[in-house]
Amino acid sequence: DTGVSQNPRHKITKRGQNVTFRCDPISEHNRLYWYRQTLGQGPEFLTYFQNEAQLEKSRLLSDRFSAERPKGSFSTLEIQRTEQGDSAMYLCASSLVEAAGKFFGPGTRLTVL
Amino acid sequence: GENVEQHPSTLSVQEGDSAVIKCTYSDSASNYFPWYKQELGKGPQLIIDIRSNVGEKKDQRIAVTLNKTAKHFSLHITETQPEDSAVYFCAASRKRIGNYKLTFGKGTLLTVNP
Repeated sequence: DTGVSQNPRHKITKRGQNVTFRCDPISEHNRLYWYRQTLGQGPEFLTYFQNEAQLEKSRLLSDRFSAERPKGSFSTLEIQRTEQGDSAMYLCASSLVEAAGKFFGPGTRLTVL
Repeated sequence: GENVEQHPSTLSVQEGDSAVIKCTYSDSASNYFPWYKQELGKGPQLIIDIRSNVGEKKDQRIAVTLNKTAKHFSLHITETQPEDSAVYFCAASRKRIGNYKLTFGKGTLLTVNP
């Protein structure tokens, strides 16, 4: 499968715990994006990388959120001290530089109890 | 920032009928308009997109039209099939700092009845 992959697919955690998600983009794609989707809503932009550089972050990305893409390949999204409001589907997408078409992964569904 | 409104929120059609979903956007600088299909438990799948220098684009049973003056665009699905049942999202974006940041509508749940 050469599409975007995300792990884990589901994560249940208790409030206050830290969680980390991983995204593996399509191999030749330089751009990697994180979006968040809550029930009944469209995805909302969180942040994006070009290669290893994080070039833009949304105001939705509070100080408890951190994203990395250390070698310009896979990316991780960490949420510290999770809150119930963090419960959502976290989507990763990738695209070629200068190409607008984004290809999304299956997402990681986070439930904070 | 950009705001995208999408209608209707739910749409039920009989197999073989056509389905139309409409979106409006607020930022006149937006120049890229993709449509995504999302099935239960899956990520959004890009099904068609259009750029602002084109008024219409067609791919088999799917077409998208764009009216830049009115700032609205629509998805048309002809000869609908049960496997077309899903949530459809429109989105708008413009290139900013080299990034086409997508702003999505709230989605339309399309149900195609056999």
